[in-house]
Amino acid sequence: EVQLVESGGGLVQHGGSLRLSCTTSGFTFSSYWMGWVRQAPEKGLEWVANIKQDGSEKYYVDSVKGRFTISRDNAKNSLYLQMNSLRAEDTAVYYCARAFSYETDYFDYWGQGTLVTVSS
Amino acid sequence: DVVMTQSPLSLPVTLGQSASISCRSSQNLVFSDGNTYLNWFQQRPGQSPRRLIYKVSNRDSGVPDRFSGSGSGTDFTLKISRVEAEDAGVYYCMQGTHWPPYTFGQGTKLEIK
Repeated sequence: EVQLVESGGGLVQHGGSLRLSCTTSGFTFSSYWMGWVRQAPEKGLEWVANIKQDGSEKYYVDSVKGRFTISRDNAKNSLYLQMNSLRAEDTAVYYCARAFSYETDYFDYWGQGTLVTVSS
Repeated sequence: DVVMTQSPLSLPVTLGQSASISCRSSQNLVFSDGNTYLNWFQQRPGQSPRRLIYKVSNRDSGVPDRFSGSGSGTDFTLKISRVEAEDAGVYYCMQGTHWPPYTFGQGTKLEIK
């Protein structure tokens, strides 16, 4: 069974930092692009970042470029999101998702999410 | 960036009736490999998103055949036949053709009357 479990969310002050983790199981982690998608309170879904299987390519939504860094550890089957210079508008539930393979297409499995609250 | 526009944003439906959600993209979603990367997701209250449909019309495993996707180019539709109580939630379309960024529609809230 495919499982993705996020952790690391919490309350942080404006300008602060937080590191989210996503621990996965039930599939060959190193074979998939992985990503983060967020959802602000009572709002829709917004893609945040993706990372290629070997970590050689990373892509970000413009609003987080230069502040957030996506990374992965294939030996630990884990995905990370380092978030710096946090702003109130970064307040959201952050979902880890299995982002892509040619066989399974985009975003077929999601975690339960972890809430990040940035206080001003 | 590709803008995804859903309509309606709110959809009250009587149990057993059909529901239809439209999704329009600001650019043609046919990729250079010939595939159209248009997905549909369901998000029930308090839950994570769940993918229902990929590449316009392919149902994910475990998704009831009451759900069907169709369309091409810039116009896409999710149809739900014989709506059940468990179908209540918000539905999103998403394009994976012109990235980054991957973009979602605003969401359509389906409520059971």
